[in-house]
Amino acid sequence: AQSVTQLGSHVSVSEGALVLLRCNYSSSVPPYLFWYVQYPNQGLQLLLKYTSAATLVKGINGFEAEFKKSETSFHLTKPSAHMSDAAEYFCARSGGTSYGKLTFGQGTILTVHP
Amino acid sequence: EAGVAQSPRYKIIEKRQSVAFWCNPISGHATLYWYQQILGQGPKLLIQFQNNGVVDDSQLPKDRFSAERLKGVDSTLKIQPAKLEDSAVYLCASSLRESDTQYFGPGTRLTVL
Repeated sequence: AQSVTQLGSHVSVSEGALVLLRCNYSSSVPPYLFWYVQYPNQGLQLLLKYTSAATLVKGINGFEAEFKKSETSFHLTKPSAHMSDAAEYFCARSGGTSYGKLTFGQGTILTVHP
Repeated sequence: EAGVAQSPRYKIIEKRQSVAFWCNPISGHATLYWYQQILGQGPKLLIQFQNNGVVDDSQLPKDRFSAERLKGVDSTLKIQPAKLEDSAVYLCASSLRESDTQYFGPGTRLTVL
């Protein structure tokens, strides 16, 4: 079965520190991959997406993610955390060549300390 | 451009009661999705519409859940009768086509007592 695993349900960093949120997927065929962010009481907002073009994907708010086929990973990073980055982050994959039918990971809550 | 609208934002009901959620997608978006997000989990797809036709409802508990998208625009999701385990946030998303990025609404938080 196609799945997405996010390592660590909670990640805590200091303001200005590196943010690293881990995501691994299972698939025999590289899927399309996404990172979404969810602020309290809001819907999901797309941060970035991988669609088989460049393996290093840049998104909004200074985030980026690197697709590594050999490791079946799509980790999200940001060089310097800001207080406003505190939220829940979801990694997701699509089925095959379609953006539809997203399968989400269980989410990682990011806390940023002053 | 207006985003995906959902109502109500919050709903509290007793088990065995019925409830309905409404979604208005972004104008012109042909594809509409309903997801269920249980606390502590990622969203799970319940049903996908392409215009007013169902593309995928394999994860929809059809004995109690139903959804429709009349005229290919607005959509309603109904639960009848509700169970305690239906407590969740119900998210609606839309995309221009199935191959495009999905945009999510704010969700409806359902509490079943």
